[in-house]
Amino acid sequence: ETGVTQTPRHLVMGMTNKKSLKCEQHLGHNAMYWYKQSAKKPLELMFVYNFKEQTENNSVPSRFSPECPNSSHLFLHLHTLQPEDSALYLCASSQDSTSGRGYEQYFGPGTRLTVT
Amino acid sequence: QKEVEQDPGPLSVPEGAIVSLNCTYSNSAFQYFMWYRQYSRKGPELLMYTYSSGNKEDGRFTAQVDKSSKYISLFIRDSQPSDSATYLCAMRGNNNDMRFGAGTRLTVKP
Repeated sequence: ETGVTQTPRHLVMGMTNKKSLKCEQHLGHNAMYWYKQSAKKPLELMFVYNFKEQTENNSVPSRFSPECPNSSHLFLHLHTLQPEDSALYLCASSQDSTSGRGYEQYFGPGTRLTVT
Repeated sequence: QKEVEQDPGPLSVPEGAIVSLNCTYSNSAFQYFMWYRQYSRKGPELLMYTYSSGNKEDGRFTAQVDKSSKYISLFIRDSQPSDSATYLCAMRGNNNDMRFGAGTRLTVKP
């Protein structure tokens, strides 16, 4: 595997379910990100991890819970979601998040989430 | 006012045309300016970046930044059908926070 991988690619869940999204990067990077992409809206940065430490939480509801066990893996745990949470969830990584190179982010293909 | 404004299009041009894509922004703290390309069912990929004002050229692509006007552009020369994608502008200051435009969907017709 190369680059940034995400599983599953598609997920349909009910509002009472609990599920997790997984992201893995094979680039030796130290920063990882979760973004939400909704139709015709800008990408919304959700969480940033730099060297496994969470450095950003952009007022994301607590029904989204990130976990970063090491610099290569990032999870997004989901519970009691709402229909408006349906979107494409993108994971990205970069060399680190605080230096100028933080702009050079590599994205995974995303998980298309549908909440019914 | 949105922090980053980008016309969503869609934009349709014939093969070989010059394409101009633009974004405006309001935050004068932005220093890094990027263009990402996103093909259908794929994640965005970094196409070009520019630090501060100026021009940058890479093959058929030219990125321009005018900080005084808070305006950035991406030009595609000799456009090809393979350039059909959504183009996202992005920018950030000296912190972690990247801001994206909503993306412009481009179709290049053979």
